[in-house]
Amino acid sequence: GAVVSQHPSRVICKSGTSVKIECRSLDFQATTMFWYRQFPKKSLMLMATSNEGSKATYEQGVEKDKFLINHASLTLSTLTVTSAHPEDSSFYICSAPDRLAEAFFGQGTRLTVV
Amino acid sequence: DAKTTQPPSMDCAEGRAANLPCNHSTISGNEYVYWYRQIHSQGPQYIIHGLKNNETNEMASLIITEDRKSSTLILPHATLRDTAVYYCIAAPGAGNKLTFGGGTRVLVKP
Repeated sequence: GAVVSQHPSRVICKSGTSVKIECRSLDFQATTMFWYRQFPKKSLMLMATSNEGSKATYEQGVEKDKFLINHASLTLSTLTVTSAHPEDSSFYICSAPDRLAEAFFGQGTRLTVV
Repeated sequence: DAKTTQPPSMDCAEGRAANLPCNHSTISGNEYVYWYRQIHSQGPQYIIHGLKNNETNEMASLIITEDRKSSTLILPHATLRDTAVYYCIAAPGAGNKLTFGGGTRVLVKP
């Protein structure tokens, strides 16, 4: 199946700093990518839809100025958590549909804000 | 996406078949039934999907009732590595955003 890669897989940052997470489709082009967040023992919650060449679409309750999404190419979307706080600590996961419109997920990024 | 309902957890014995039920009574005609699983601290992994016919691949079988209001994922010979949370999702296509419910936490025991 198609491969979606996230980087980094794990990051620890200080409160107030920003962290960038990359999501790459390695063997296919993705005009759309999705960003999810998952808290411990909870299910995945969609944060936003990343659209290549245009603005991301955010789900209700997700601050667009805090979670900056850039989808500058057909194989790369980035999520930047700005001014991170401990409550932003979570597991962030991206997904991308391939040309058959089947969703493939990255391995996830565990963010810990201290 | 139509809402899906799954039991929160289930145990099964290694080597035996695991049958995971899912209720999706409000599924629309254009919605597929997708199954994903998530092993601890990893991203979800695609398992199988179907519209109305039963489907089988190297990982599992999917049985969808004739009225499409429920389905069962069958892992034919469960192994310890099948321990994971299994999510059943009804969606027009995986190219759209997927709505994850609580899933079923499956524990395969030796």
